Amino acid sequence: GENVEQHPSTLSVQEGDSAVIKCTYSDSASNYFPWYKQELGKGPQLIIDIRSNVGEKKDQRIAVTLNKTAKHFSLHITETQPEDSAVYFCAAPHSGAGSYQLTFGKGTKLSVIP
Amino acid sequence: KAGVTQTPRYLIKTRGQQVTLSCSPISGHRSVSWYQQTPGQGLQFLFEYFSETQRNKGNFPGRFSGRQFSNSRSEMNVSTLELGDSALYLCASNKGGGDTEAFFGQGTRLTVV
Repeated sequence: GENVEQHPSTLSVQEGDSAVIKCTYSDSASNYFPWYKQELGKGPQLIIDIRSNVGEKKDQRIAVTLNKTAKHFSLHITETQPEDSAVYFCAAPHSGAGSYQLTFGKGTKLSVIP
Repeated sequence: KAGVTQTPRYLIKTRGQQVTLSCSPISGHRSVSWYQQTPGQGLQFLFEYFSETQRNKGNFPGRFSGRQFSNSRSEMNVSTLELGDSALYLCASNKGGGDTEAFFGQGTRLTVV
């Protein structure tokens, strides 16, 4: 099955700085990579995703890059704001036929210091 | 467009009891997946239902079961509760394809005492 590793587990940045979270995956057949943001007391919120036919995707201050050869993908947040403080999870799909299952990284707790 | 609705939001149960959690997916979504989230193990896949059929199951004991109804609403059941079952139970709604977005509900916080 799929194995997803995520680093770092905690990250503190000053407001306005950039934050980068990295993930590696094991199944070369995986072709879809979402990122979720989870705030305290809430369910994970999909913030951006990337498919294997592109190397980078941007949405305002958030970007995701994918290197299929190296089997890693990263989340980049620029101009961080206090409301970016949350736990971020990367995920990759399990490549079982006809099934939808995501394997998640262990999460990164991002703290943005005002 | 309504999001994923999970009920109840909080539950406190005693060891040995059973519990049923409910999930209503986004309208038009036919796949519902369930995940258990704990501080130690993170997000772990329980099972996935599509068109009333379980398509996949994670590595959890048989005490964990689920079902899906014709309107795509899903329930999961945990029997003979153990202290270690205390967790946030999340359901995710998806159209059904392996590379499509999954949207999560707020979760049900289960505490077993």
